Amino acid sequence: DAGVIQSPRHEVTEMGQEVTLRCKPISGHDYLFWYRQTMMRGLELLIYFNNNVPIDDSGMPEDRFSAKMPNASFSTLKIQPSEPRDSAVYFCASSLWVWGGDGFYEQYFGPGTRLTVT
Amino acid sequence: ELKVEQNPLFLSMQEGKNYTIYCNYSTTSDRLYWYRQDPGKSLESLFVLLSNGAVKQEGRLMASLDTKARLSTLHITAAVHDLSATYFCAVDASHFKYNTDKLIFGTGTRLQVFP
Repeated sequence: DAGVIQSPRHEVTEMGQEVTLRCKPISGHDYLFWYRQTMMRGLELLIYFNNNVPIDDSGMPEDRFSAKMPNASFSTLKIQPSEPRDSAVYFCASSLWVWGGDGFYEQYFGPGTRLTVT
Repeated sequence: ELKVEQNPLFLSMQEGKNYTIYCNYSTTSDRLYWYRQDPGKSLESLFVLLSNGAVKQEGRLMASLDTKARLSTLHITAAVHDLSATYFCAVDASHFKYNTDKLIFGTGTRLQVFP
């Protein structure tokens, strides 16, 4: 498998513009996560889906952020309108249950999208 | 609310030396993960610790878990330059709920190994 695929890898946009980040999870994984990483706040979980259904969006910073997962192989994170403080690296991850002992979920991270809002 | 703290935040160490990174968390959890992130790269899973007393080792890295103390350690033995990276611990936040996969990440420890 190619792993988690994210696009674009880099995005530079002007304040006020709409930004859409895309993610293709690993086939067969039933969870999908969106994280944001900044120097100031570290790695934050924004939202996650189970079987395409949003489970917890409590980390989404405000209404300007929205995420969808229309099918098992695609998800988007949209920021509208974008602001300079949204500049960060956005990671998508997917996970699969691993049997063994009590079992656990193994999360696999994508390469990230580096977003710069000027 | 589950909080995960790591220390130190920065660690500069000489090759050949030993050191330990600590990960404390605020509520009970049965699963703890360690990840590595190289500069400008994504996160890579290192270890999963599933029970009290669990110990995992890979090369010069050894991770352990004490669920009673809510503490995990990542011990580095005879450090080499290739270990330079940022190390994150992450705790499963779903212990008291149904079995979901929600991880809360620590602040990260940036490790730099010099000759």
